[in-house]
Amino acid sequence: DAGVIQSPRHEVTEMGQEVTLRCKPISGHDYLFWYRQTMMRGLELLIYFNNNVPIDDSGMPEDRFSAKMPNASFSTLKIQPSEPRDSAVYFCASTEAGGPSNEQFFGPGTRLTVL
Amino acid sequence: GQSLEQPSEVTAVEGAIVQINCTYQTSGFYGLSWYQQHDGGAPTFLSYNALDGLEETGRFSSFLSRSDSYGYLLLQELQMKDSASYFCAGTMDSNYQLIWGAGTKLIIKP
Repeated sequence: DAGVIQSPRHEVTEMGQEVTLRCKPISGHDYLFWYRQTMMRGLELLIYFNNNVPIDDSGMPEDRFSAKMPNASFSTLKIQPSEPRDSAVYFCASTEAGGPSNEQFFGPGTRLTVL
Repeated sequence: GQSLEQPSEVTAVEGAIVQINCTYQTSGFYGLSWYQQHDGGAPTFLSYNALDGLEETGRFSSFLSRSDSYGYLLLQELQMKDSASYFCAGTMDSNYQLIWGAGTKLIIKP
């Protein structure tokens, strides 16, 4: 298996622009998580899905952030409009319900810089 | 609220043993996980304790005591490649969501 796939790996954009981050979870995994990581705030859970349905989006910082999972193999995180404080590494992770260890498999991350 | 506390930084010598502690305050606690993250990389799973006691995986071991709301990660025969940040994370209830500690940066000196 290729693991969790994220694109793009790096994104540099200007304030006010729309940013779309993409994630393909591991096939067969029914949970998908979006995280944001910064030096100041550490690793923050933004939203997670179970069987494509959003379960908890309480970590989404503002209405500028939205996430979708139209099918089991694809999810997007969109920021519109983007702001410099959104600069961070965004990780997508997936896991399989009922696994012995609840291990979350992380993608390589998208490093977002908003100028 | 739910929180996990761990030291921000630990320094050790190559070849030595180091223990990274994690204490938690939460309800509905199911188990404790540990993840490793190298600079510029993604977190990767190391271990999971659902029951009290010690779990060993090669040079790494993880311990959990529910009565003390405490766990630790033990790294033996330290190698320079073990220099990384280590996160403890709690599984709460049965929803597979993880509550993350702030991470411990492990610095290894030759």
